[in-house]
Amino acid sequence: DADVTQTPRNRITKTGKRIMLECSQTKGHDRMYWYRQDPGLGLQLIYYSFDVKDINKGEISDGYSVSRQAQAKFSLSLESAIPNQTALYFCATSDAGTSGRSAEQFFGPGTRLTVL
Amino acid sequence: AQSVTQPDIHITVSEGASLELRCNYSYGATPYLFWYVQSPGQGLQLLLKYFSGDTLVQGIKGFEAEFKRSQSSFNLRKPSVHWSDAAEYFCAVSPAGTALIFGKGTTLSVSS
Repeated sequence: DADVTQTPRNRITKTGKRIMLECSQTKGHDRMYWYRQDPGLGLQLIYYSFDVKDINKGEISDGYSVSRQAQAKFSLSLESAIPNQTALYFCATSDAGTSGRSAEQFFGPGTRLTVL
Repeated sequence: AQSVTQPDIHITVSEGASLELRCNYSYGATPYLFWYVQSPGQGLQLLLKYFSGDTLVQGIKGFEAEFKRSQSSFNLRKPSVHWSDAAEYFCAVSPAGTALIFGKGTTLSVSS
């Protein structure tokens, strides 16, 4: 079984709809992350959470919100989807390293979202 | 501000030839450094990592990388490329207090 799972794997929706992407992990990590990937732009950080009570904005958080329901679950919501949110979305998890840094991140398989 | 630069957007290498993918980072303290690979339609897989110690690190699939503090570089190498190595490669640095920062990636094509 995969350590980091994402649902759904593919989603097509319409402008203005509310969408939730879910992420679950069985690695026992405290830290979880959401990224979006667009061609040529690499991975851009949307939100991250270092524990259940800690939520932080990343570089492109506008138009997104998150919920950390438990250590193992971290959901990403698009309250009112727009076409330029069409992208590949990845969830990742990690342990803490030393000196406040994160150890290597483990990625889910991704969710391909299309907003029409 | 911390950043990662991968100067080459796209590289084509003949099968069996050697490979070097470049990565430069900007980070004040001793960095954690990573290389990830993404095959088409797949998620990201960790190839190797550097935390401390020996500056030449070995990874999976025959890859290695060398940390050079004086050049702020962490270049990825492979002596002989296989067609299955065609993918996108990302370098990343782990600063304190936030998530990994990724470069924009280098796409590797392998010609026969």
